[in-house]
Amino acid sequence: DTAVSQTPKYLVTQMGNDKSIKCEQNLGHDTMYWYKQDSKKFLKIMFSYNNKELIINETVPNRFSPKSPDKAHLNLHINSLELGDSAVYFCASSQDRSGYTFGSGTRLTVV
Amino acid sequence: AQSVTQLDSQVPVFEEAPVELRCNYSSSVSVYLFWYVQYPNQGLQLLLKYLSGSTLVKGINGFEAEFNKSQTSFHLRKPSVHISDTAEYFCAVNGNQFYFGTGTSLTVIP
Repeated sequence: DTAVSQTPKYLVTQMGNDKSIKCEQNLGHDTMYWYKQDSKKFLKIMFSYNNKELIINETVPNRFSPKSPDKAHLNLHINSLELGDSAVYFCASSQDRSGYTFGSGTRLTVV
Repeated sequence: AQSVTQLDSQVPVFEEAPVELRCNYSSSVSVYLFWYVQYPNQGLQLLLKYLSGSTLVKGINGFEAEFNKSQTSFHLRKPSVHISDTAEYFCAVNGNQFYFGTGTSLTVIP
């Protein structure tokens, strides 16, 4: 069983579309995250949820909206996609400060 | 405030040679330190971490790192690299928030 699973792995879509990326963890962790990795491999945190409650909301466009139906799931919905949204998006989870477990990433390409 | 600096963006090294990837951090609180590896087109995998205790930490794939509090460093080392070690390596620090460095691209040359 994959500890942190993301779907889809690849997503190609046109500008202006709305898309969602799903994330599930089976580790029983309380906290989940979304990171964006740009073309230079730089990792930037976008959101963090602890037990379904938003605790970190970095400066991202409000076209990005996270949703956590329960503590094992954290989905990312993106409205009105733009070319600059093309990146790899990683979901992660943690129980405490001692480390994160990452999903395998979703490569989003906006054309 | 916290920050992580990876001093080398790219490190080429010949196969079977030793390698050191440098990481420095700053923090006003006590920190946990991590190294993650990202193989091409894959996710991030934990190599090793320092939480407390011995300052020399051993990880997977023959890597080790040493926590140096006085120099605020956590450099990653491997005595003999393989082609399969070619990847992006990220140092990270967790004080009151988790921060990644900008990554070091390790290329092992045959």
